[in-house]
Amino acid sequence: AQSVTQLDSHVSVSEGTPVLLRCNYSSSYSPSLFWYVQHPNKGLQLLLKYTSAATLVKGINGFEAEFKKSETSFHLTKPSAHMSDAAEYFCVVRGYNNNDMRFGAGTRLTVKP
Amino acid sequence: ETGVTQTPRHLVMGMTNKKSLKCEQHLGHNAMYWYKQSAKKPLELMFVYSLEERVENNSVPSRFSPECPNSSHLFLHLHTLQPEDSALYLCASSLQGTGYGYTFGSGTRLTVV
Repeated sequence: AQSVTQLDSHVSVSEGTPVLLRCNYSSSYSPSLFWYVQHPNKGLQLLLKYTSAATLVKGINGFEAEFKKSETSFHLTKPSAHMSDAAEYFCVVRGYNNNDMRFGAGTRLTVKP
Repeated sequence: ETGVTQTPRHLVMGMTNKKSLKCEQHLGHNAMYWYKQSAKKPLELMFVYSLEERVENNSVPSRFSPECPNSSHLFLHLHTLQPEDSALYLCASSLQGTGYGYTFGSGTRLTVV
């Protein structure tokens, strides 16, 4: 079975400082992993995905994530936070097929001026 | 726009009303999904349609009734809802057999009064 745990429900950073959103996963398969972002009253937008190619994945808006099999982690990072990054972020693991996607509980990112 | 369009964006309905939510995609995807997103709760998968056939119904109450007339359109018919059904309802689509994940619509914010 697949599952994800987002280790922080809320992260607060100052504008211009690094962002780290943590995600651990469990999967019976060679996992595909995703990060989505959701701005208030909007749908979820794909930030980046890992599908067994390079372990360091670059996404949109300067975000990247590193797949670490030994640690079963897929943490999301950004070198410098921008006010527009304030949103909810979801880590997702894909199981056998696209009908088996498990979402984390989400991490709310606050960016202070 | 993501390529997945949901209408209406906002809906207020009484408990005795009947209404429908609509989702439309022209991405060439062959699977569509309804998710429920309530405050302080993880995303809940409600229905999955793959190749226009329902493949999963996660014990959703019968007051929610999905319909998928073709691979581009998905409906969620609502009747005699309860206040606890107030939530953001998200539609997503994907291409089965690929690892590209979901494309989400912007959601319908439903309020049951």
